Amino acid sequence: DTAVSQTPKYLVTQMGNDKSIKCEQNLGHDTMYWYKQDSKKFLKIMFSYNNKELIINETVPNRFSPKSPDKAHLNLHINSLELGDSAVYFCASGQAVSSYNEQFFGPGTRLTVL
Amino acid sequence: ELKVEQNPLFLSMQEGKNYTIYCNYSTTSDRLYWYRQDPGKSLESLFVLLSNGAVKQEGRLMASLDTKARLSTLHITAAVHDLSATYFCAVIRTSGSRLTFGEGTQLTVNP
Repeated sequence: DTAVSQTPKYLVTQMGNDKSIKCEQNLGHDTMYWYKQDSKKFLKIMFSYNNKELIINETVPNRFSPKSPDKAHLNLHINSLELGDSAVYFCASGQAVSSYNEQFFGPGTRLTVL
Repeated sequence: ELKVEQNPLFLSMQEGKNYTIYCNYSTTSDRLYWYRQDPGKSLESLFVLLSNGAVKQEGRLMASLDTKARLSTLHITAAVHDLSATYFCAVIRTSGSRLTFGEGTQLTVNP
């Protein structure tokens, strides 16, 4: 039933480690997104893929690499984690070609880097 | 660069009162969204506003859009405790697909 799902929900790790977050949507949307929400709740887009093609790549460190194996999945891999990467990461999906382009968000992954 | 500003950022109100949250944005846009976020939870879509003069209502919440003034409002009528949450407005630039969010308004409704 879940429209946009993410795993894991919580991720606690040491500085310098590499970790991945997975996202899947079953809404049939053509576009998926990664957003970062910082400790002040500010939300900012990181990446967007449309039909497996990268279309938005904000000023994000190269340590962050998204991968979209198909249009229903968008994963986020983070290398050499730093303290400042601690945040909640939200995956979202939407139908970019529609006039609404309403985006639906996953439950979020709370990443804590120690 | 598109900027989205909300005010107030914090709002504490009594049950039964009315109040309005304002969302200003800096560049041409034809799509504006309101989301609700409960503590520790995801974002829930409340309204999608697509045209100048659009007004949508759901329960005690009503959202409107004035594209000429680049302003959207979220009006709360007779607030109840269950409305306590953080409310975000977000804008997609004309011909774009990325959401630019406001800072969020943390609403607390006191009994």
